[in-house]
Amino acid sequence: EIVLTQSPGTLSLSPGERATLSCRASQSVGGTSLAWYQQKPGQAPRLLIYAASNRATGVPDRLSGSGSGTDFTLTISRLEPEDFAVYYCQQYGSSPYTFGQGTKLEIK
Amino acid sequence: QVQLQESGPGLVKPSETLSLTCTVSGGSITSYFWSWIRQPPGKGLEWIGYVYYSGSTKYNPSLKGLVSISVDTPKNQFSLKLHSATAADTAVYYCARSRGHTSVPYYYGLDVWGQGIGVTVSS
Repeated sequence: EIVLTQSPGTLSLSPGERATLSCRASQSVGGTSLAWYQQKPGQAPRLLIYAASNRATGVPDRLSGSGSGTDFTLTISRLEPEDFAVYYCQQYGSSPYTFGQGTKLEIK
Repeated sequence: QVQLQESGPGLVKPSETLSLTCTVSGGSITSYFWSWIRQPPGKGLEWIGYVYYSGSTKYNPSLKGLVSISVDTPKNQFSLKLHSATAADTAVYYCARSRGHTSVPYYYGLDVWGQGIGVTVSS
């Protein structure tokens, strides 16, 4: 089973700042088989990025994903108030399709 | 647009079977993968498994063969059964959709999710 480790666990930033979230896999996910999701309290997760770097429909271009193999990054160039949430990565290169433990992005 | 809605009992007794249904509206169940994911209170997401519209399945081995997912194409529904439920199965259960590409079921990610249904396993 591929274990995904997200860092940091909590990220405290102010609106307008840049956020960099990391997702590291215990072994290669096989290229770019990784997605990022955002979850707000009481809501279902929302797809942000698929295949490591492709934005889902409706996702603003200030969010971007990068990486391949074992190291992946989600970057939010200029934080807006609606960006403060929990972010999860998920690999789907090898079953079981595991999730990371999440990074909480909170307002500083 | 496509919407998913989970339904089923919110309370299940230990050792009984947890059964949930996801109804797909606004679109066809054909040509997609249909998944279940759960989230214990205050914790992260756990992938349970998926069913393809044709009926083929894949499950998380951590559930030790206690899970089954099936699809009912005429009703535009798919279902989850988790046998011998324990308190550890208490969670919010989500259903979700994905579209495959080049033999990768989740290539485009889980792009549509239900709102989730809370299930408590307790006597």
